[in-house]
Amino acid sequence: AQTVTQSQPEMSVQEAETVTLSCTYDTSESDYYLFWYKQPPSRQMILVIRQEAYKQQNATENRFSVNFQKAAKSFSLKISDSQLGDAAMYFCAYRSDLNAGNMLTFGGGTRLMVKP
Amino acid sequence: ETGVTQTPRHLVMGMTNKKSLKCEQHLGHNAMYWYKQSAKKPLELMFVYSLEERVENNSVPSRFSPECPNSSHLFLHLHTLQPEDSALYLCASSQDPGGTEAFFGQGTRLTVV
Repeated sequence: AQTVTQSQPEMSVQEAETVTLSCTYDTSESDYYLFWYKQPPSRQMILVIRQEAYKQQNATENRFSVNFQKAAKSFSLKISDSQLGDAAMYFCAYRSDLNAGNMLTFGGGTRLMVKP
Repeated sequence: ETGVTQTPRHLVMGMTNKKSLKCEQHLGHNAMYWYKQSAKKPLELMFVYSLEERVENNSVPSRFSPECPNSSHLFLHLHTLQPEDSALYLCASSQDPGGTEAFFGQGTRLTVV
């Protein structure tokens, strides 16, 4: 079974600075997807960025980018120019390419605080 | 508007009550999911419906009973719950196969007293 670990329960960043959230996972599969979801106080899980395991190039979405290290099974999220609206819980998630549906395995989450 | 709508947003119920959570998606997806989010625990997948057939149960207690009458609607029927069932219940949908991400609703905050 796959597991996803987020070792940082809480992180803090100054507005306009850069912060990196860590995620590691364990799998024996070679094809899979990795995601970062954001959950603000409104509780809705919002997709921030995704990475296909077969792609070597790190995914980027505006101020959000990932450092995907497949051999190390590491998938960190970098947030540049942090904004107050970035404050939320961030969840790393894994999805196998083999099973039916879009069943996600989530990490325990990292609470990001942004200081003005 | 997320495309995935859950009702009610909040629910308080006694251990002997019967209630239902509702989820509706307007995205044309054919797979829907129930996740449980408890304090200090990772999100747990409870049920998956793909093409209206249940794919995975994950050994959820029988006091939780899912229903998927069509590809747009998903219910979670609750009866004789325990206080430890208090949690945020999240519904999600996706396109299967072909979709690479799940879209979530805002959840139902359930408190069992």
